[in-house]
Amino acid sequence: AQSVSQHNHHVILSEAASLELGCNYSYGGTVNLFWYVQYPGQHLQLLLKYFSGDPLVKGIKGFEAEFIKSKFSFNLRKPSVQWSDTAEYFCAVNGFSSGTYKYIFGTGTRLKVLA
Amino acid sequence: EPEVTQTPSHQVTQMGQEVILRCVPISNHLYFYWYRQILGQKVEFLVSFYNNEISEKSEIFDDQFSVERPDGSNFTLKIRSTKLEDSAMYFCAGGADDNEQFFGPGTRLTVL
Repeated sequence: AQSVSQHNHHVILSEAASLELGCNYSYGGTVNLFWYVQYPGQHLQLLLKYFSGDPLVKGIKGFEAEFIKSKFSFNLRKPSVQWSDTAEYFCAVNGFSSGTYKYIFGTGTRLKVLA
Repeated sequence: EPEVTQTPSHQVTQMGQEVILRCVPISNHLYFYWYRQILGQKVEFLVSFYNNEISEKSEIFDDQFSVERPDGSNFTLKIRSTKLEDSAMYFCAGGADDNEQFFGPGTRLTVL
């Protein structure tokens, strides 16, 4: 079955700490991978995406993610978090299924950064 | 920069009533989607729409739900007879191709 797993549900970090949020997926065939962020009271925004090519993808606000095909993973990283990074982060997989593309989201990781 | 917009931002309705949630995608979008997020739960795919027809729908998208793009700009989600469990944030998304999506701010639906 197609699925996306985010193992960390809640993460609390101090400012300047490094961040890594895990994402693993189960999806047959070619996939596109995304990380979205949802700041408190705001809508989903795209952080970064991977379609093909260099498996290390750089996104907005200093975030990056690495696609490791052998591990079915697409972990999100940031070397030094800021208080403003407090938000919920969603990993998503987009793949071809039953004749069309469909998005599957992970359950989200709620990040709190302490000032 | 153009953005996907949704109206209303918050809709309160009585159980059994019909609601229509509206979305205005960016003008070059050809692919359209609805998702919902029940409070505290993950985002769930409802339906995708392309070329004026549904291309895929999830098991959540039963006969109570329908979508249409009546005037070539607005993309609407109709819930015919709302249930308490329909209370959620409903997100519209659009994309110029089927590989990416831009989300609207969402409509919070509260069914009493």
